[in-house]
Amino acid sequence: DTGVSQNPRHKITKRGQNVTFRCDPISEHNRLYWYRQTLGQGPEFLTYFQNEAQLEKSRLLSDRFSAERPKGSFSTLEIQRTEQGDSAMYLCASSPGVGNTGELFFGEGSRLTVL
Amino acid sequence: GDSVTQMEGPVTLSEEAFLTINCTYTATGYPSLFWYVQYPGEGLQLLLKATKADDKGSNKGFEATYRKETTSFHLEKGSVQVSDSAVYFCARESTSGTYKYIFGTGTRLKVLA
Repeated sequence: DTGVSQNPRHKITKRGQNVTFRCDPISEHNRLYWYRQTLGQGPEFLTYFQNEAQLEKSRLLSDRFSAERPKGSFSTLEIQRTEQGDSAMYLCASSPGVGNTGELFFGEGSRLTVL
Repeated sequence: GDSVTQMEGPVTLSEEAFLTINCTYTATGYPSLFWYVQYPGEGLQLLLKATKADDKGSNKGFEATYRKETTSFHLEKGSVQVSDSAVYFCARESTSGTYKYIFGTGTRLKVLA
C-alpha cells in the first residue's frame, strides 16, 4: 500500500461550478478525516468518518459542502456553487481503529483554485 | 476553545545551528501532542509525538518534551541541516466529545548551507 491517495491533485474552476475530490485511505484504516489548509495556515478540521458513519462536522462545512464515505473505504468531498473563498488545499488523512497510536497519515492534498 | 499556538516564521538558520520552535496548547485535559513536518511538495508526516506529561518525543535528531506546567511542547534540534528546511506544525489530539485534531499555523524553517 502506497499511503493515502487524493485526486485530483489540482483543480481550477470558475465560481459557481461544483467540484468533487476523492480520497483513498490506507486500506486497513477505518478512520478518515478531511481538513482544509489555506496559505500560511495550519490544517483546519472539516469532518470525520469512522467506517461509513460521518461522526463529526465542523461549522466550517457549510451547506455547500458534503462528504461521503459510502462503503467505509474511499471518501468524496463535494463543494457546490464554489466561491473564491473556497480556494485552498483540501487534505485527507486516515488512521487505524485498532492499534491506533494517534498518528494521522496524510495524503498530498487536492489544491482548489476558484476563479 | 481548544487551540495550539506556535511561533511565527519564517525561521532562517545556518547549517549546524540550534533550532527551537515554540508551541503552547490550551490545557483541556491531557491530550497527546504531535509535531508534523511538511517538506516541499509533500504531504504532512508525523515527526514525533508525546502522549503524557514529561514524555519526550524524538526522531531524526529532533526532540520535544510535554510540559504540563507550562502547557508547552517546544521542538528542538541541536544541529540543523539544509534537508530540515520545511514547514513544522504543532498539533494536539482531540479532547473528549470530539474527534478532531487541532493544528498550529505552522513555522517555516529555512536552513542555509
